[in-house]
Amino acid sequence: DAEITQSPRHKITETGRQVTLACHQTWNHNNMFWYRQDLGHGLRLIHYSYGVQDTNKGEVSDGYSVSRSNTEDLPLTLESAASSQTSVYFCASSDLAGEGTDTQYFGPGTRLTVL
Amino acid sequence: GDSVTQMEGPVTLSEEAFLTINCTYTATGYPSLFWYVQYPGEGLQLLLKATKADDKGSNKGFEATYRKETTSFHLEKGSVQVSDSAVYFCALNTDKLIFGTGTRLQVFP
Repeated sequence: DAEITQSPRHKITETGRQVTLACHQTWNHNNMFWYRQDLGHGLRLIHYSYGVQDTNKGEVSDGYSVSRSNTEDLPLTLESAASSQTSVYFCASSDLAGEGTDTQYFGPGTRLTVL
Repeated sequence: GDSVTQMEGPVTLSEEAFLTINCTYTATGYPSLFWYVQYPGEGLQLLLKATKADDKGSNKGFEATYRKETTSFHLEKGSVQVSDSAVYFCALNTDKLIFGTGTRLQVFP
């Protein structure tokens, strides 16, 4: 069965370190998204990609970067981790670029703690 | 900008009670509307969706009707079960998904 996986599931790091969260999907979807989930904010979009070599900033992109070198993977990098980036991170994918009717499929999440 | 407002939780119900979770939206275009559910320790999964006014989405006994005149997409279920305990997110999509803050539902036997 097609799926979307994230690793690691839990990560503790220190302020100032670079951290990379992995996201891998086997749906063969063109679109991939990164969100963070914080109490009282729901999910907020960090970055997204509509295909290989395409990346775009979302609502809360400062301090984060992504790259898309193939269809299956969209790693999220925190260049210099800050305590404000402690959160649960979700990756998602979908099939139709810019289509409002499109369903997104979510990974299980990565809980990141920055000390 | 586009936004979604949903009722704060937690919503606490006994098994077999009727459920309503309110959701209203603000959008400049004609969004599609979604309810996603997040079970403990898991990612979000689509519960139901509606893509145009007056459409009714339904799944697993849950229903929601796209009401353009009241800009609402309230989630309902006639008889909840303990297994429905989860966090429910209302969302709209014009070209990107915008989520509400989520409503936690707790169902007790």
